[in-house]
Amino acid sequence: ETGVTQTPRHLVMGMTNKKSLKCEQHLGHNAMYWYKQSAKKPLELMFVYSLEERVENNSVPSRFSPECPNSSHLFLHLHTLQPEDSALYLCASSQALMGAQYFGPGTRLTVL
Amino acid sequence: KQEVTQIPAALSVPEGENLVLNCSFTDSAIYNLQWFRQDPGKGLTSLLLIQSSQREQTSGRLNASLDKSSGRSTLYIAASQPGDSATYLCAAPSGANSGYALNFGKGTSLLVTP
Repeated sequence: ETGVTQTPRHLVMGMTNKKSLKCEQHLGHNAMYWYKQSAKKPLELMFVYSLEERVENNSVPSRFSPECPNSSHLFLHLHTLQPEDSALYLCASSQALMGAQYFGPGTRLTVL
Repeated sequence: KQEVTQIPAALSVPEGENLVLNCSFTDSAIYNLQWFRQDPGKGLTSLLLIQSSQREQTSGRLNASLDKSSGRSTLYIAASQPGDSATYLCAAPSGANSGYALNFGKGTSLLVTP
């Protein structure tokens, strides 16, 4: 695989479920990002990791919990979500902070 | 907070036309600016990145310019093709101290008709 991959591509969950989104980058980058894209709204930055350390938490509710075990993998753990959390969740990576960001295909999340 | 605005919101042109997409940003203390393409339901494809020291960047039929002093960037598409139909997004960082935190516009939805 090349570039940035995300799994699953589609996810439907109830408000009481716990699920995780996975992102993997095959570019040798050191920074990884989570973004949220809701209908009719611009993309919103959620979290930023550099060398596996979180450098940004953009006022995201605690029901979203990121994890970066190494520079190639990024997870977003989800629990007790709300219907308004339904969106396209995009992962990105860059060689270093402030470098060009490369995006994965996204996970389409629906919360019932 | 960096505010990014894109005009027009939607654009429909016949194949072969040259076109210009506009992006404006409020905080000119940026490290770089990036243009992306997004196809329906898909992720983002990076098109061009312009460093703050550059005035423009070219890739094939695409040319992006950056004027930091006026807070503007334009994406020029030459000889448009139906395959160019997509949403084009402009992203500017949150100023010099948070150059990694991209702020996106709402995009320009482009339709190129055969």
